[in-house]
Amino acid sequence: KQEVTQIPAALSVPEGENLVLNCSFTDSAIYNLQWFRQDPGKGLTSLLLIQSSQREQTSGRLNASLDKSSGRSTLYIAASQPGDSATYLCAVRLREKSSGDKLTFGTGTRLAVRP
Amino acid sequence: DGGITQSPKYLFRKEGQNVTLSCEQNLNHDAMYWYRQDPGQGLRLIYYSQIVNDFQKGDIAEGYSVSREKKESFPLTVTSAQKNPTAFYLCASSPAAGPYTEAFFGQGTRLTVV
Repeated sequence: KQEVTQIPAALSVPEGENLVLNCSFTDSAIYNLQWFRQDPGKGLTSLLLIQSSQREQTSGRLNASLDKSSGRSTLYIAASQPGDSATYLCAVRLREKSSGDKLTFGTGTRLAVRP
Repeated sequence: DGGITQSPKYLFRKEGQNVTLSCEQNLNHDAMYWYRQDPGQGLRLIYYSQIVNDFQKGDIAEGYSVSREKKESFPLTVTSAQKNPTAFYLCASSPAAGPYTEAFFGQGTRLTVV
């Protein structure tokens, strides 16, 4: 069974700092990996999607990398801002032979950026 | 606007009652998903559907039921058999299965048992 772990569980940094969030998964036979942001009491907003054949994706101040062989992904946030404060979740899409795709989520990293 | 709409935003249920959470999407996506989120436990998959009139149990399907009669709609019923239903419920959809598929989420329904 696919398991996804995110470290650290919580992180507090001063504004302007660069930071890295980590995601690891146990089954490397994934289709893709997706990073999400969740604000308190809200749904999930997709940030970046990395296909299994890709090594990284970039969007603005965000950069996500994928090392499928070691079962790891990182989300790099440059020049953090208080508006980046949220919970960040990673999810892997795995092909189930009998029943099709499904997404498995990590427990998230709660980020606080201090002004 | 294209997107996923969940309703209601807040729902209160008395013990022993069944309640149905609505999820509608106008993205023309084939796959739809229901997740439950509890504090400190991340998202857990309840049910998912890859195509109309077909669905599969996720990791925590007991006490829940779904239907997929239309491509746009995937309602979730929380039955009285679900012993601890208080949680935040999230619906998602994605295009047909494969490596290029990106999932999109609704804004969630918070269910509270009173």
